[in-house]
Amino acid sequence: GDSVTQMEGPVTLSEEAFLTINCTYTATGYPSLFWYVQYPGEGLQLLLKATKADDKGSNKGFEATYRKETTSFHLEKGSVQVSDSAVYFCALSPSNNDMRFGAGTRLTVKP
Amino acid sequence: GAGVSQTPSNKVTEKGKYVELRCDPISGHTALYWYRQSLGQGPEFLIYFQGTGAADDSGLPNDRFFAVRPEGSVSTLKIQRTERGDSAVYLCASSLLGRGAYNEQFFGPGTRLTVL
Repeated sequence: GDSVTQMEGPVTLSEEAFLTINCTYTATGYPSLFWYVQYPGEGLQLLLKATKADDKGSNKGFEATYRKETTSFHLEKGSVQVSDSAVYFCALSPSNNDMRFGAGTRLTVKP
Repeated sequence: GAGVSQTPSNKVTEKGKYVELRCDPISGHTALYWYRQSLGQGPEFLIYFQGTGAADDSGLPNDRFFAVRPEGSVSTLKIQRTERGDSAVYLCASSLLGRGAYNEQFFGPGTRLTVL
């Protein structure tokens, strides 16, 4: 079935470092792709999304591009901050179907 | 306005007991979803309501799990004869319209269920 696989954590970076969290997907159709973030003590929040191939989602300095040829949706940020410390989940949604989440990647940014 | 709220935030119960978990969606949201998140995993879909009816309950693991949304707003997830393997964080989400990529799901903080 449709699924996502994301890089295992935890990831620890220094402030202002470049971030990449890899996500690849398996799908029979043309799903929409998402990144969700869960800050400590809070609920899941949508960070960004892309609904078709070559779309780029962006928010709060984070970006991810829907790559059909490599079935990937890697999350990137040029300069992370301490406040970016959270758990990041890649997810896909087949057309009008349930959301499938990856296992999550914990990011810790140190000052 | 208020976001999605869930009560209780934590629930500890004994094996074999019955539990109810409550979700208050964002006012006016017609769609409501339940997910289960085990330790170190991402959320797994359980059930989706559109209005009062369960439009998709394919994620419920077995017949010990049941959910209702009688007035199309608040929902209750009910687990009978709890087992230790039911221990997880149960997440609720709501969206303005039905399921789909253009309808963002807003998540609650979850209920952490521990079955001893």
